[in-house]
Amino acid sequence: DAGVTQSPTHLIKTRGQQVTLRCSPKSGHDTVSWYQQALGQGPQFIFQYYEEEERQRGNFPDRFSGHQFPNYSSELNVNALLLGDSALYLCASSLEGVSAYNEQFFGPGTRLTVL
Amino acid sequence: AQRVTQPEKLLSVFKGAPVELKCNYSYSGSPELFWYVQYSRQRLQLLLRHISRESIKGFTADLNKGETSFHLKKPFAQEEDSAMYYCALLTGGGNKLTFGTGTQLKVEL
Repeated sequence: DAGVTQSPTHLIKTRGQQVTLRCSPKSGHDTVSWYQQALGQGPQFIFQYYEEEERQRGNFPDRFSGHQFPNYSSELNVNALLLGDSALYLCASSLEGVSAYNEQFFGPGTRLTVL
Repeated sequence: AQRVTQPEKLLSVFKGAPVELKCNYSYSGSPELFWYVQYSRQRLQLLLRHISRESIKGFTADLNKGETSFHLKKPFAQEEDSAMYYCALLTGGGNKLTFGTGTQLKVEL
């Protein structure tokens, strides 16, 4: 099991463009959470998908949207990119959500640079 | 609103010295707290969670609700402990992790 995988590894876009990031969860996991990690900061929760529905959302604008597929993989879409969207985007997977009892596994991240 | 504060960006200690990484939280509900670690060129991974009250790699953390703290401690630092450490708080009825800004631990020989 390769664990959580993300693609692409790096991405360069210009302001105003749109981007799609992809995540495959760890085998057996059904929940995917997305985080944004700006330089020098901790990860910030964007949203979580479970059973193909957005279950929880952080303080991010509607430009950030997502999707979960029947095989539990997920996409993060960001429209109308701003310079401030430059960050490492992390995907994490778990089984039946996130709780004090079940572990969340992180992917290696996608480094997005907006010029 | 929930908040996690890690006051030190960088903590430098000598090998064999005690380590304490500070974490304070602000949350009106019942807190569930975690420590995550990221070693150089590796993924973010769970180190320990307060609910399990276990020692992992010699590290322990005790939840102090009176002081709203969850400091990470180790009696004798090892070189392999050098890493970035993040404290995280589970909120939103579960499912949402709020991270601190992290502390870079550097263990010097």
